[in-house]
Amino acid sequence: DAGVIQSPRHEVTEMGQEVTLRCKPISGHDYLFWYRQTMMRGLELLIYFNNNVPIDDSGMPEDRFSAKMPNASFSTLKIQPSEPRDSAVYFCASSFSIRGGGGNTIYFGEGSWLTVV
Amino acid sequence: AQKVTQAQTEISVVEKEDVTLDCVYETRDTTYYLFWYKQPPSGELVFLIRRNSFDEQNEISGRYSWNFQKSTSSFNFTITASQVVDSAVYFCALSEWGEGFQKLVFGTGTRLLVSP
Repeated sequence: DAGVIQSPRHEVTEMGQEVTLRCKPISGHDYLFWYRQTMMRGLELLIYFNNNVPIDDSGMPEDRFSAKMPNASFSTLKIQPSEPRDSAVYFCASSFSIRGGGGNTIYFGEGSWLTVV
Repeated sequence: AQKVTQAQTEISVVEKEDVTLDCVYETRDTTYYLFWYKQPPSGELVFLIRRNSFDEQNEISGRYSWNFQKSTSSFNFTITASQVVDSAVYFCALSEWGEGFQKLVFGTGTRLLVSP
């Protein structure tokens, strides 16, 4: 079975450029998450969607970051303009809701390694 | 506020040794879930286990075992007879009913180095 698919795996860009990270969640999953991993802050949740609708974007660091989910099988995380401090690994993850329950297992993609120089 | 503490930053063992990774959590909710994830050198995050707050039974899966103790708010992970392939960063994580179980809060991770 295909897992969460992210692209690109690695990206090196210059400061000020726009960066778009892409994600395809596991088929049938109705939750999609974007996490960021840095040495200083560890793994932190940026935003998550349920049925393509953004539910909580309180973790998005600033207006330079935006995320969309136009359909159930695709999401993007965009940084415009990018800055060196945005260098991190960005993980997309997905899960499905459990009726009457919770603690859904969240499955992660392999991550997009972003370097802004 | 929920919090996960992994006090061990790095552990080094020799192959075949047993090793325990500690995880202590804080939550005000009575209903919550605990997780362990593995991040090998290749970078992906691999799900290992999920445990809900009402199930304190210990679990064993091959060389892996987990000890959940609500009395001490701990969810420790033991690898028996460690192997070089176990070298990775291991993350403990928590999700709470109050957050709809969707906000996964991670500890800072424990890096395990298993040498031959």
